[in-house]
Amino acid sequence: AQKVTQAQTEISVVEKEDVTLDCVYETRDTTYYLFWYKQPPSGELVFLIRRNSFDEQNEISGRYSWNFQKSTSSFNFTITASQVVDSAVYFCALRGLYNFNKFYFGSGTKLNVKP
Amino acid sequence: DGGITQSPKYLFRKEGQNVTLSCEQNLNHDAMYWYRQDPGQGLRLIYYSQIVNDFQKGDIAEGYSVSREKKESFPLTVTSAQKNPTAFYLCASSIGLAGNPADTQYFGPGTRLTVL
Repeated sequence: AQKVTQAQTEISVVEKEDVTLDCVYETRDTTYYLFWYKQPPSGELVFLIRRNSFDEQNEISGRYSWNFQKSTSSFNFTITASQVVDSAVYFCALRGLYNFNKFYFGSGTKLNVKP
Repeated sequence: DGGITQSPKYLFRKEGQNVTLSCEQNLNHDAMYWYRQDPGQGLRLIYYSQIVNDFQKGDIAEGYSVSREKKESFPLTVTSAQKNPTAFYLCASSIGLAGNPADTQYFGPGTRLTVL
């Protein structure tokens, strides 16, 4: 089965705090791809990152970083020094190699950053 | 500017009416998708198309229909058979079969449909 679980429904932090959004996935594919998207209040999903299953190197982009751990089937997303503009719903998604038209989305984590 | 456009942004429908949501892309992508999002929920796949004149049902296709006559366009019709159509509808596109396996989906701004 292919499944993505985002156990944190909603998180509230104060500006400048660090926050980690959890993503746990299940897949039978040996090759797969993981994604994070941001959905601000306007509604459009904005692509943030894609990670291949054979590349476990962590990635940092400005205040954003991603920790991919195959051993625990997790692909967590950390925002350092959060800002009010980071307030949004964040989705983690999984895509397998062979059914690549099918993206499996988690239910999303709503992040509220308070000034 | 390359991107995906959806229209209208807000749509109101009376019960029993069919409505069509527009999705256009100028990214030269082969694959296009329609998702439905309910409040506080994730995305559910309605239909997808890998190439012109071809489309496949997703997880919740009942009460919806699509067409793919042009590469750039993938309109979604919400029919009167859809029992609970009030939702946020998102269109997406990706390179598709010609792309590499790490193909990414890019999304439009969405259409919010309300049934009165």
